[in-house]
Amino acid sequence: DGGITQSPKYLFRKEGQNVTLSCEQNLNHDAMYWYRQDPGQGLRLIYYSQIVNDFQKGDIAEGYSVSREKKESFPLTVTSAQKNPTAFYLCASSISQNYGYTFGSGTRLTVV
Amino acid sequence: GIQVEQSPPDLILQEGANSTLRCNFSDSVNNLQWFHQNPWGQLINLFYIPSGTKQNGRLSATTVATERYSLLYISSSQTTDSGVYFCAVGMDSNYQLIWGAGTKLIIKP
Repeated sequence: DGGITQSPKYLFRKEGQNVTLSCEQNLNHDAMYWYRQDPGQGLRLIYYSQIVNDFQKGDIAEGYSVSREKKESFPLTVTSAQKNPTAFYLCASSISQNYGYTFGSGTRLTVV
Repeated sequence: GIQVEQSPPDLILQEGANSTLRCNFSDSVNNLQWFHQNPWGQLINLFYIPSGTKQNGRLSATTVATERYSLLYISSSQTTDSGVYFCAVGMDSNYQLIWGAGTKLIIKP
């Protein structure tokens, strides 16, 4: 079945570490997105990519980095510059801008 | 930028009841989606509905683009319908979706 796979489901990060969250899709979608969700809040866009080797900053890109070397993959790195990284991270994809989004099951990141 | 308001913020119903959730938006859009986030965090796309009416089982949605609102109807609620329902909108000129704050629905058995 086609879908989006995020891994790991739970991730613990020590102060000062960089960590990378994986997002892989086999839906043949061109566009991919990373969102952050804090408890009881809505979603905020971190980065998005419309095509391979191109990506754009969203509302809260500071302290995060991404790459899009393959159509299927859009990994997110949470760097040590992100001062409050504890959150739920969701990856999504869509055929293009004006189509429905499909979401992965998310990664819960906790700083220890 | 576009403002998205969802109402009510919270809704508690008995199993079997019907409900209507509303999404108002402040500008013309060409992308409107409804999502359900279950208690484990999984977001499911319910409808892509920038205009018109769609139905999927017990759920249906109507968007009146000229009046800038969308409604999500849930009939014969089940406990598995519990969770948060989000509306998100977008425009051609901006690749981003603008998200509402959500409606938290609790269905009691």
